[in-house]
Amino acid sequence: DTGVSQDPRHKITKRGQNVTFRCDPISEHNRLYWYRQTLGQGPEFLTYFQNEAQLEKSRLLSDRFSAERPKGSFSTLEIQRTEQGDSAMYLCASSLASQPSVYTFGSGTRLTVV
Amino acid sequence: GQNIDQPTEMTATEGAIVQINCTYQTSGFNGLFWYQQHAGEAPTFLSYNVLDGLEEKGRFSSFLSRSKGYSYLLLKELQMKDSASYLCAVRDKSGNTPLVFGKGTRLSVIA
Repeated sequence: DTGVSQDPRHKITKRGQNVTFRCDPISEHNRLYWYRQTLGQGPEFLTYFQNEAQLEKSRLLSDRFSAERPKGSFSTLEIQRTEQGDSAMYLCASSLASQPSVYTFGSGTRLTVV
Repeated sequence: GQNIDQPTEMTATEGAIVQINCTYQTSGFNGLFWYQQHAGEAPTFLSYNVLDGLEEKGRFSSFLSRSKGYSYLLLKELQMKDSASYLCAVRDKSGNTPLVFGKGTRLSVIA
């Protein structure tokens, strides 16, 4: 297993466009988390899944954001009608149910909205 | 509400010892975690404390006082590769809740 993979590594998009990111967690990890991080800040929680079920979504997450994990394996995060304030590093992490807070993070997708 | 405070930046000398403090005020508490993040890279797990006291792991140790809402990460025999951001994170309810991260402390190790 090569760890948590995220694709793409970088994305530049024009304001108003939709973007979708993919995360492939460690195969035996049933928990998957999405966080967002801006420069000089810690990761900010967006949403998380246990298997295919989305268990929690941050109140900070607007309706423009949606995430799926259809088969309990990979996950996608979509941002519709992107805004400049969406520019950030989007981090995916996975963990075992037996150690839910020991995260393995992916390298992230850096989104720039111009 | 949730509030996690840690110093923004610290500088220490190679070979020395440095202590990075973290204070938290959260609606509940179920564990405190430390992650290391090198510039441009993903965070990696370092240690966690659930009960009061010191947890030692090689050159790194982490301490927790739940009554004071306080933790620190102690790094001994500093090496240049320890230059990174150190993130304090709290699990505020059950083991099912996601971590809440502080803003991180950027540590610079100088020769």
